[in-house]
Amino acid sequence: NAGVMQNPRHLVRRRGQEARLRCSPMKGHSHVYWYRQLPEEGLKFMVYLQKENIIDESGMPKERFSAEFPKEGPSILRIQQVVRGDSAAYFCASSPSGTAAETQYFGPGTRLLVL
Amino acid sequence: GEDVEQSLFLSVREGDSSVINCTYTDSSSTYLYWYKQEPGAGLQLLTYIFSNMDMKQDQRLTVLLNKKDKHLSLRIADTQTGDSAIYFCAEDASGNTGKLIFGQGTTLQVKP
Repeated sequence: NAGVMQNPRHLVRRRGQEARLRCSPMKGHSHVYWYRQLPEEGLKFMVYLQKENIIDESGMPKERFSAEFPKEGPSILRIQQVVRGDSAAYFCASSPSGTAAETQYFGPGTRLLVL
Repeated sequence: GEDVEQSLFLSVREGDSSVINCTYTDSSSTYLYWYKQEPGAGLQLLTYIFSNMDMKQDQRLTVLLNKKDKHLSLRIADTQTGDSAIYFCAEDASGNTGKLIFGQGTTLQVKP
């Protein structure tokens, strides 16, 4: 059973370009969480999704950021018109049922660098 | 609001015990977690404790929870150089959705 997969592992973009980050949850997991880790900081919650639904996007910036988790395929975190402040490590985690009782398994992260 | 605080840095000698401390604000948290992050890697769940427990031991790891003071600690016995990493404590946010609130992480440096 493969763990949580994220790709790409490293992504370099110039200011104004778009960044697409992909997350494939563990087999059997239908709940995905995205977190952002700025340099020298802890992880901050961004968004929680189930298949085809956004459950909680309270940590997501209102502009330029969007997330989806389609019925088929990986979850996608999309950042439009990237700025230098978007440089960070983006982690996704998956769980089977999306309750506090379930352990979240984290992917290795995508490290985004905006030049 | 929900907040989790940790000291930023701890240095110990190999073989000593390490104690990493954490305070949190949300008294309704059901679970509290400790994660380990090695350089350039993702987060690895080390252990977690249910909020109605005071202590949990798992091999070299001991978690103590003082719910009255909202204080959580992780003790690593016989610390090894391979334990050098950043350690994050986290609480589950209110609403039981699995959303986690993380501290800023404690960098543990183990000197040979």
